Amino acid sequence: QKEVEQNSGPLSVPEGAIASLNCTYSDRGSQSFFWYRQYSGKSPELIMSIYSNGDKEDGRFTAQLNKASQYVSLLIRDSQPSDSATYLCAVSTGANSKLTFGKGITLSVRP
Amino acid sequence: GAVVSQHPSRVICKSGTSVKIECRSLDFQATTMFWYRQFPKQSLMLMATSNEGSKATYEQGVEKDKFLINHASLTLSTLTVTSAHPEDSSFYICSAMGAGPYGYTFGSGTRLTVV
Repeated sequence: QKEVEQNSGPLSVPEGAIASLNCTYSDRGSQSFFWYRQYSGKSPELIMSIYSNGDKEDGRFTAQLNKASQYVSLLIRDSQPSDSATYLCAVSTGANSKLTFGKGITLSVRP
Repeated sequence: GAVVSQHPSRVICKSGTSVKIECRSLDFQATTMFWYRQFPKQSLMLMATSNEGSKATYEQGVEKDKFLINHASLTLSTLTVTSAHPEDSSFYICSAMGAGPYGYTFGSGTRLTVV
């Protein structure tokens, strides 16, 4: 059973702080890793994708991947109230492979 | 960028009737489409994977005779919920995959309420 685990939430941070979201996965054959943001009643939108070990930065977002530890994280710098949403970690084993989602963690950014 | 259109966005139907949900890739050819279901405060659960021109592959526990999937072209996949019951009420989301950099593109979702 391929599993993707995320920290149980919810997570609350003050505006301007760094939010750290973590995810572990069980399948060592996983090759592609994604973070999605989902607002209530909406479908997920892609925030970051990462495929190799290390850090990947895009604006206020940084994804970190450690395949040896089977761990992927998302850092959100200078958190804004508009970042308040559910963040889903998703993993796939390769091209055209299905995504396996974690349960998601709800982030609340306090003004 | 890649766009996936999903319709309808919201539907209410009577118990025992069937509902069809469409998922279209507007600017790319989707070799593979995925159908997910999401209950309130839960994550996305994959229902089935469909490839153009072939039968869908259903996940364990998903009734293939109840959730009919058709992927007749590279730009259109449909999910039909047959003989819907209140427990089928959920948020249904499609995701299309094309070649190249598009990766996984999600539709906007369909909120199904069975009364």
